[in-house]
Amino acid sequence: QPVLTQPPSASASLGASVTLTCTLSSGYSNYKVDWYQQRPGKGPRFVMRVGTGGIVGSKGDGIPDRFSVLGSGLNRYLTIKNIQEEDESDYHCGADHGSGSNFVKVFGGGTKLTVL
Amino acid sequence: QVQLVQSGSELKKPGASVKVSCKASGYTFTSYAMNWVRQAPGQGLEWMGWINTNTGNPTYAQGFTGRFVFSLDTSVSTAYLQISSLKAEDTAVYYCASSSWLNPWGQGTLVTVSS
Repeated sequence: QPVLTQPPSASASLGASVTLTCTLSSGYSNYKVDWYQQRPGKGPRFVMRVGTGGIVGSKGDGIPDRFSVLGSGLNRYLTIKNIQEEDESDYHCGADHGSGSNFVKVFGGGTKLTVL
Repeated sequence: QVQLVQSGSELKKPGASVKVSCKASGYTFTSYAMNWVRQAPGQGLEWMGWINTNTGNPTYAQGFTGRFVFSLDTSVSTAYLQISSLKAEDTAVYYCASSSWLNPWGQGTLVTVSS
């Protein structure tokens, strides 16, 4: 199964842009990744799914247009433009592996985004 | 509005059991699998497994076999997570989340295990 690697922290100034990265382990370049936002003290919420062709399906409810994704090689990116205070969150990526009784969902370690 | 509402926080002693509920609304409960995810204090997300809401067949991730049981009551669109022989290291927030996309999530249930 894949291993997902995320930098533990990132920061950006209010109104700026930031790109968060989730890197799949070698051999899994065709895998899609899901991004989740977890605000302080809250449960996670689905942001969107990304493959090498970009977004797969629709964004999660209430996710603003400022959020976008790209995929390239082993990397899956989440870009946030015009960062707002409410974007300060932990961002987790996850990927599916296998199917049926062999299905596994794996998560990266998460990136804590600080808005300066 | 599609949502999952979980039961409230629990404080349990080591060795006890706990049962967390997750009630779905706004969609056909049996249309999507239900997943369970654990988040220990200050840690990341850990997928515990899923239950097929049509057949009731559970699949458990490595590390979540034996003391962890997923179950359903489809008549009330509710999934359950039961943990037996609780240990201090089971202290965590437990989330339910629908479908393989994990969308939506419940609000989480804090289970604290302490003597």
